[in-house]
Amino acid sequence: DQQVKQNSPSLSVQEGRISILNCDYTNSMFDYFLWYKKYPAEGPTFLISISSIKDKNEDGRFTVFLNKSAKHLSLHIVPSQPGDSAVYFCAASAKSGANNLFFGTGTRLTVIP
Amino acid sequence: NAGVTQTPKFQVLKTGQSMTLQCAQDMNHEYMSWYRQDPGMGLRLIHYSVGAGITDQGEVPNGYNVSRSTTEDFPLRLLSAAPSQTSVYFCASSGGQDSLFFNYGYTFGSGTRLTVV
Repeated sequence: DQQVKQNSPSLSVQEGRISILNCDYTNSMFDYFLWYKKYPAEGPTFLISISSIKDKNEDGRFTVFLNKSAKHLSLHIVPSQPGDSAVYFCAASAKSGANNLFFGTGTRLTVIP
Repeated sequence: NAGVTQTPKFQVLKTGQSMTLQCAQDMNHEYMSWYRQDPGMGLRLIHYSVGAGITDQGEVPNGYNVSRSTTEDFPLRLLSAAPSQTSVYFCASSGGQDSLFFNYGYTFGSGTRLTVV
């Protein structure tokens, strides 16, 4: 039973345009949400996070939006660059610093030059 | 700065064999975890530890054993390998405090690709 869902396995975007990656969750106890980026043959690397007390968090070209009522979050990348091509995982945790980080299945983003 | 180091990077086992996947971190992190990644299933938590001497089960613990005798090391033992344990295994660590977790998330190793035949 997947508590964090990424329904789009892949996404292709032209360089310079916006990339929007979506994530849905079912557990209302989740209060921290994170995005990770993963290149082939490497471990995931932390990208950006958001607490449930916020609805937006921004870091450079990356912005995460949280809609608690819809149990939905999204990652916006503007402008998209070819180096952003990777698999993006959404993850959620019910407690800060907690070990039980639940991951989605990932979305493969391809940025076309 | 090594971060999280996993060894070996690749391993082939026969059904029924046992082995230990090594994980070491040099960031003095309290929290350490083991995940497995399977196609179409994302990453799933196997076992975790909140400090030396303290471990607990995650979502998919069966067939695996862990111990945490030091802050730095968190080995994962496969007791009797089965083909269903063919996967990519990731070790991760975190400072465990609110600010560290929120700003830096978990630091992952580069993974161990395990095949059980």
